[in-house]
Amino acid sequence: AQSVSQHNHHVILSEAASLELGCNYSYGGTVNLFWYVQYPGQHLQLLLKYFSGDPLVKGIKGFEAEFIKSKFSFNLRKPSVQWSDTAEYFCAAGSRGYQKVTFGTGTKLQVIP
Amino acid sequence: EPEVTQTPSHQVTQMGQEVILRCVPISNHLYFYWYRQILGQKVEFLVSFYNNEISEKSEIFDDQFSVERPDGSNFTLKIRSTKLEDSAMYFCASSERGEGSTDTQYFGPGTRLTVL
Repeated sequence: AQSVSQHNHHVILSEAASLELGCNYSYGGTVNLFWYVQYPGQHLQLLLKYFSGDPLVKGIKGFEAEFIKSKFSFNLRKPSVQWSDTAEYFCAAGSRGYQKVTFGTGTKLQVIP
Repeated sequence: EPEVTQTPSHQVTQMGQEVILRCVPISNHLYFYWYRQILGQKVEFLVSFYNNEISEKSEIFDDQFSVERPDGSNFTLKIRSTKLEDSAMYFCASSERGEGSTDTQYFGPGTRLTVL
């Protein structure tokens, strides 16, 4: 069965700390991977996505993620977080040729000034 | 920047009643989706819709649910006879193409449905 796991449910960091949020997936076939962010009171927005090519993907607002096929992982990173990064982050995956996207449970990030 | 919009933002209904949740996708998009998130749980795919028909649906999307594009702009999700467990946040999304899941899906703000 297709699944996406996010191991950190709630992360608290001080400003300027580095961030890494874990994401593992279980999918058959060719997988497409996404990170979405939901700022308080706002829509889900796409941060970045991986379809093929360079496994290190750069997204908006200084975020990046690395696809490691051997580990079935797609971890999100940011070298230095800001208070404005406080939000909920969702890892998601889909199979090539299908519209359905499967989401992880989300990680709430709280950045303390 | 164009956005997906949804109405209402919050809907309260009695168990057994029919509800219609409305969405206006981004205007040049061709694929439309509904997802839901029960409080404290994952965002779950319900259905995708293209060219006036369902292209994919999940096991959650049973006969109680239906989708429609009644005119050129709206996309609706109808729940015929609501149950307590239908209480959730319902998200609409749209994408320009439906090239598998490679095409970016843009999400609306959601409608919170509360079934009493």
